[in-house]
Amino acid sequence: GAVVSQHPSRVICKSGTSVKIECRSLDFQATTMFWYRQFPKQSLMLMATSNEGSKATYEQGVEKDKFLINHASLTLSTLTVTSAHPEDSSFYICSARDPATGLDTIYFGEGSWLTVV
Amino acid sequence: AQRVTQPEKLLSVFKGAPVELKCNYSYSGSPELFWYVQYSRQRLQLLLRHISRESIKGFTADLNKGETSFHLKKPFAQEEDSAMYYCALSGYNQGGKLIFGQGTELSVKP
Repeated sequence: GAVVSQHPSRVICKSGTSVKIECRSLDFQATTMFWYRQFPKQSLMLMATSNEGSKATYEQGVEKDKFLINHASLTLSTLTVTSAHPEDSSFYICSARDPATGLDTIYFGEGSWLTVV
Repeated sequence: AQRVTQPEKLLSVFKGAPVELKCNYSYSGSPELFWYVQYSRQRLQLLLRHISRESIKGFTADLNKGETSFHLKKPFAQEEDSAMYYCALSGYNQGGKLIFGQGTELSVKP
C-alpha cells in the first residue's frame, strides 16, 4: 500500500549547523506534501505546504529562511533546518495525499526526531 | 479562524467503561472532520472521518454542525485503545492540509 517514508528517523546536530530531513512518497506521486512540527504529547503544528515545482507556502509565524523546503520531484520533499538552535529540537512529520484518491488517503511519515546540541 | 479544540489532555478510564473524547471546531464553511490515532512509537494513522460514517475498532463519531462538535465515542474501552487521539479538520479543496487539535491521551487501565 501507499506509504510515506522519512529519513533520518533521528538526527543530532550541533548548534549553528544545518540538517536536512527527507520525505518520500512510495508507490504514488504527491504534488503536495505537508510538514508538521510536534512537541511531545502535543499537537501537530502545520509549518508549510510543499508544492512540487514551486515555492512552498508557509504558515504564519514560520520562518521561511530558517526552514527551507524543496519539492524537486513528485516523490520527494526536503526540509532543511538552517543554523539550527536547541529550540529547533522537535519531532518533524510530513504527510502526503495520493491525488488519485480522496482525503482518507493522507499518509503520514514516521517522523524525524531532531536534537540540536 | 480555523481551529480544533480538544479540551481534555488526558482521559483515564477502566477497561470496559465507555469513553468519549471531545472535539469542537471552528471553521467558516463546511469542513471535513477526522480522528487520527497515534499509538506509542508509531506513526499517525487515520481512525475515521465524518463522511464515511463508519465504525472503526468500535469507535464512532458524529458530526454535530449545530454544536460544531465531532466527539469520538466507544461503548467499551479496551487496553489496546490506549494512545494519543487527534481530532483534525480540513476544508474542501485544501488538498490534504489538516488542522489538528491539541490531542487527548487515552489511558485504559485494566
